[in-house]
Amino acid sequence: SSELTQDPAVSVALGQTVRIACQGDTLRSYYATWYQQKPGQAPVLVIYGKNNRPSGIPDRFSGSTSGNTASLIITGAQAEDEATYYCNSRDSSDHHLLFGGGTKLTVL
Amino acid sequence: QVQLHESGPGLVRPSDTLSLTCAVSGHSISSPNWWGWIRQTPGKGLEWIGYIYYSGSSYYNPSLRTRVTMSVDTSKNQFSLNLSSVTAVDTAFYYCARTMGDSSGSFDYWGHGALVNVSS
Repeated sequence: SSELTQDPAVSVALGQTVRIACQGDTLRSYYATWYQQKPGQAPVLVIYGKNNRPSGIPDRFSGSTSGNTASLIITGAQAEDEATYYCNSRDSSDHHLLFGGGTKLTVL
Repeated sequence: QVQLHESGPGLVRPSDTLSLTCAVSGHSISSPNWWGWIRQTPGKGLEWIGYIYYSGSSYYNPSLRTRVTMSVDTSKNQFSLNLSSVTAVDTAFYYCARTMGDSSGSFDYWGHGALVNVSS
């Protein structure tokens, strides 16, 4: 069955750029969606589709895809970006959804 | 402003059925969106449970399909989740969420989550 794989943890220096990756064969057919989750809070949508940000999401967040890997890019990471980031997408059946295991981002 | 709010028992006995309801405000549940349930074991990742359309069409996670039932009540603008034969591994935060009205399957509005503990 399909699955989405993420690195468990990534760190970035304040103000630097970080790329959080999500790998899976289904990403060759479907875009990844990215969510940010802070402790004790529900996930928040940050990137969807090819590279779209919902209203209110800073433009330092962007997304890209190459082959079977989708990436969430934070250009100029801020302290408030410290959170766990999850990718999700459709699986090969088209009707079912998958979540990656999440990447905990630490801003140093 | 779209808002979703989960409600239901916080404690369920093993082998019983977990039942949660998601009340939607600020948006008609009969609009072209799918309405989903996602759960998260404390300290762990997100797991998609399934989603349902206002017409009643639904899709469930294959790993939970035999135990999951979802329903929609358009008159009350809410939808529900039933998960049968629960065990301790079903202890989790349960979120309801709305998918965007496109093909991405992205959840743009989420409830705050309801913690359900399965214990005797």
